[in-house]
Amino acid sequence: DTAVSQTPKYLVTQMGNDKSIKCEQNLGHDTMYWYKQDSKKFLKIMFSYNNKELIINETVPNRFSPKSPDKAHLNLHINSLELGDSAVYFCASGAEGLKLFFGSGTQLSVL
Amino acid sequence: GDSVTQMEGPVTLSEEAFLTINCTYTATGYPSLFWYVQYPGEGLQLLLKATKADDKGSNKGFEATYRKETTSFHLEKGSVQVSDSAVYFCALIGRAGNMLTFGGGTRLMVKP
Repeated sequence: DTAVSQTPKYLVTQMGNDKSIKCEQNLGHDTMYWYKQDSKKFLKIMFSYNNKELIINETVPNRFSPKSPDKAHLNLHINSLELGDSAVYFCASGAEGLKLFFGSGTQLSVL
Repeated sequence: GDSVTQMEGPVTLSEEAFLTINCTYTATGYPSLFWYVQYPGEGLQLLLKATKADDKGSNKGFEATYRKETTSFHLEKGSVQVSDSAVYFCALIGRAGNMLTFGGGTRLMVKP
């Protein structure tokens, strides 16, 4: 069974559209994250939720809005997509001992 | 704030060569240190970690020692394989928080 699953794996869309990326973890972790990986492979945290509450919100445009309906899910909704949003987005969940489990990534391409 | 610096890639090696990927960090207190690996088309996986000074993390033939005096956590492997080709990320979690801070990643390419 996949521990952290995110969908879709690939997302191609036009500028100005609104899209969502879903993430689910079946590990029983309390903390979930969204990371953005740019074309140079540099990873940067975007958001972190603990038990459905936002605990980290880095400098991210307001067009990005995370939603956590329960502690097993952390979805990412993006409004008015821009070219610069093209990247790979990784969901992760946190375990004891500080180990993170990552999803396989969603490659977003904005045309 | 916390930061991680790792060597620029790509690193290209022949099979069975010795690997070193340098990683240094800046953090207050005593952070926990990690190496993550990203194989092509996959998400990051934890490769190894060390939580205190002089600890050595090891996994799959890779090793890294937490050196407080040099604020380093260099990744080493004695004999690389083609299957080790991936991007390697050094990372830390500072004592004050729970957020991973990543280095920029180093791409390793191993040729037969």
